[in-house]
Amino acid sequence: EAGVAQSPRYKIIEKRQSVAFWCNPISGHATLYWYQQILGQGPKLLIQFQNNGVVDDSQLPKDRFSAERLKGVDSTLKIQPAKLEDSAVYLCASSWGPNSGNTIYFGEGSWLTVV
Amino acid sequence: TQLLEQSPQFLSIQEGENLTVYCNSSSVFSSLQWYRQEPGEGPVLLVTVVTGGEVKKLKRLTFQFGDARKDSSLHITAAQPGDTGLYLCAGVLPSSGGSYIPTFGRGTSLIVHP
Repeated sequence: EAGVAQSPRYKIIEKRQSVAFWCNPISGHATLYWYQQILGQGPKLLIQFQNNGVVDDSQLPKDRFSAERLKGVDSTLKIQPAKLEDSAVYLCASSWGPNSGNTIYFGEGSWLTVV
Repeated sequence: TQLLEQSPQFLSIQEGENLTVYCNSSSVFSSLQWYRQEPGEGPVLLVTVVTGGEVKKLKRLTFQFGDARKDSSLHITAAQPGDTGLYLCAGVLPSSGGSYIPTFGRGTSLIVHP
């Protein structure tokens, strides 16, 4: 079974530029998460989708971050304009559904450096 | 303020030693998970504990959920270099309602030297 796919794997941009990350969850998984992991910290949830609807985006900095999952499968996370403090690993994860019995599977992450 | 506090933050030990990692909170969780994250990879789920006082074993790893469901511990017996990684605990609050959103601690970075 293919895992959660993310791209690009690494990205270096200058501050105030924009960047987009793509995620393809495990086939059939209805729930998709985007997490931000800053070096030395645990992952912090940015947004959770159930199919193509947003379940929780309370910690998404909406002035610069946006995410969509238009067809309920792939998802993109965009940052515009980027700030230095956005340097982090952006992890996409998916599960069959939003219940505790469903294991969450993480991708390898997209590493962003803002200079 | 972190919802989950993990300790120690860093641990460097020799192969064969035992160790315990702690995950503490003032909040009550409906469930708590432990993950291991290796460099350049995403976190991988090790175990989920749900019942207060629950103990689960995974080979040389023993996980315990506190009676009050506010804390948890991970004990590794006879650590091996392959155990090296970042150990993360993540809790789900009862107030999450229909959504299942694990909140992560900062992690314990473990290095096991041969």
